[in-house]
Amino acid sequence: SQQGEEDPQALSIQEGENATMNCSYKTSINNLQWYRQNSGRGLVHLILIRSNEREKHSGRLRVTLDTSKKSSSLLITASRAADTASYFCATAFGSARQLTFGSGTQLTVLP
Amino acid sequence: DTEVTQTPKHLVMGMTNKKSLKCEQHMGHRAMYWYKQKAKKPPELMFVYSYEKLSINESVPSRFSPECPNSSLLNLHLHALQPEDSALYLCASSQDHRGGPYNEQFFGPGTRLTVL
Repeated sequence: SQQGEEDPQALSIQEGENATMNCSYKTSINNLQWYRQNSGRGLVHLILIRSNEREKHSGRLRVTLDTSKKSSSLLITASRAADTASYFCATAFGSARQLTFGSGTQLTVLP
Repeated sequence: DTEVTQTPKHLVMGMTNKKSLKCEQHMGHRAMYWYKQKAKKPPELMFVYSYEKLSINESVPSRFSPECPNSSLLNLHLHALQPEDSALYLCASSQDHRGGPYNEQFFGPGTRLTVL
């Protein structure tokens, strides 16, 4: 079964607003990653946060990680129409060379 | 070169056909992956190659046969597929620090496969 669940499943906002997506997972992790996927395309890596980190920034992205609650959030500030995409969290755990993806959030930014 | 390429972009095949999907990367990554993704779902891992050896096979049916000819190439051979195998097939690569922290994966654009 999938390691991560995301909410909301879908989010629609106006350009310029902030978008927040949440991810919950079930087991201990080495790191948690966020990816973006434009419709029918490959995934693009956005940001990686390690299990000993609590917050990380990259441009307009801010990711938080709460290992006690087994949850993470992705904040996109000052959203743009080009941010419209599906966003997936993915967890890496144990010594396995694999990621387990969450269910994803479909973000629509209206111009 | 920070790109993963996949060919073909689209593939339509009958249930009796044999076809192959190809993936290539020149980033010096030693781990390569095949994923299957259905519409509005997350990618599902199929296979992982590490240093050209198959390290993970997620109980994929034998009609899917992976091959890693060298550290830059990854193939997925398809034979006697079913209509339910229609999906987007994604290839990815990453650095592979054996037993160490796990790194981000770089994805190709995918092959859209339709099985008639």
